[in-house]
Amino acid sequence: AQSVTQPDIHITVSEGASLELRCNYSYGATPYLFWYVQSPGQGLQLLLKYFSGDTLVQGIKGFEAEFKRSQSSFNLRKPSVHWSDAAEYFCAVGPYSGGGADGLTFGKGTHLIIQP
Amino acid sequence: DTAVSQTPKYLVTQMGNDKSIKCEQNLGHDTMYWYKQDSKKFLKIMFSYNNKELIINETVPNRFSPKSPDKAHLNLHINSLELGDSAVYFCASSSGPGGYEQYFGPGTRLTVT
Repeated sequence: AQSVTQPDIHITVSEGASLELRCNYSYGATPYLFWYVQSPGQGLQLLLKYFSGDTLVQGIKGFEAEFKRSQSSFNLRKPSVHWSDAAEYFCAVGPYSGGGADGLTFGKGTHLIIQP
Repeated sequence: DTAVSQTPKYLVTQMGNDKSIKCEQNLGHDTMYWYKQDSKKFLKIMFSYNNKELIINETVPNRFSPKSPDKAHLNLHINSLELGDSAVYFCASSSGPGGYEQYFGPGTRLTVT
């Protein structure tokens, strides 16, 4: 079965500093990988996705992520964070297969706190 | 224009009641989903529905049933509500099954007392 691990439950970063959120996945084939952001009381917004090709993908709001097959990782980065980036970030892999629903498998999320 | 909408946004009800949550997407997508987000913010797929084919996560109790009157709607019916059903329920849609990106609704916070 596929799985996603986000090792950091909470991360605190100063405004203007760089950010890296970690994501490791377990999947038997070439994965489809996603990063979503959830602001308090809101739904999930897609930041970026990786399907194939260039392993460095650009997303919205200045985010990027790098797919590293050898490390089974898909870490999210941003060179300079803004206070508005404070939110919950979810890494996800899809599709789920093997007898279950055909949806995304999510990590448990990383809560990002921005210090002024 | 809201791409994926859900109603209601908040739902408070008592144990044993039956309730429904509605979901509509105006993206022309073929596949819709329901996810449950628990109190620790863990998201788990409940159902996916594509071209009238329903795929159910085996861990979902049969008290939960999705109903799709048309391609743009996937409603969630819950019978005999239990305390453990309290969660945020998200509807999502995508242009196809599998690896297509999914677009999420704003969520419905269900509280069972």
